[in-house]
Amino acid sequence: KAGVTQTPRYLIKTRGQQVTLSCSPISGHRSVSWYQQTPGQGLQFLFEYFSETQRNKGNFPGRFSGRQFSNSRSEMNVSTLELGDSALYLCASSFGGGRGSPKNTGELFFGEGSRLTVL
Amino acid sequence: AQSVTQLDSQVPVFEEAPVELRCNYSSSVSVYLFWYVQYPNQGLQLLLKYLSGSTLVKGINGFEAEFNKSQTSFHLRKPSVHISDTAEYFCAVAFTGFQKLVFGTGTRLLVSP
Repeated sequence: KAGVTQTPRYLIKTRGQQVTLSCSPISGHRSVSWYQQTPGQGLQFLFEYFSETQRNKGNFPGRFSGRQFSNSRSEMNVSTLELGDSALYLCASSFGGGRGSPKNTGELFFGEGSRLTVL
Repeated sequence: AQSVTQLDSQVPVFEEAPVELRCNYSSSVSVYLFWYVQYPNQGLQLLLKYLSGSTLVKGINGFEAEFNKSQTSFHLRKPSVHISDTAEYFCAVAFTGFQKLVFGTGTRLLVSP
């Protein structure tokens, strides 16, 4: 069973540009979450999608956006990049469906991340 | 505000020695607790979780953790560590559903021979 796949793994952008990161969840998983990891702030929740709908959102500016497609694949976009956006962006998938769902074990399966460097 | 505190940023230990990584959380509601491990240049992998039931939880690679509601703690332990346990360990709490986790700042475990 293939794991969570994130592309690209590494990318370099300059300030002001925009970037799109992609995440393919484990087959059968309908929930995709995004986290930003930096040395200073640690792991911070960006947003979570389930069945193409954003269910949860963290405290990030509107420059950070995402979407989910009907096949559960997700993308996140960061516009007008700033130096502080340099980070490892992690995607995680799960069955979703709420705590009452028997398939929902509470475990998130993470990809290896996309490392973004903003110059 | 709901938060997770990992008291130690780095824990050095010798191989085959026991280790405890500390985690405390702040919440006025029921929580679900997790420990994840991150090896260099990789994503996070679940070590163990507490959802309900027995407060002593056993996970992969010989790790275990104990949920203490009165002390709002969920410390991770291993009786004998290996070199391969060198990694960063994150405590996480789910307050409003499994999909949104609040992570601690991480503890880097350094195992030396």
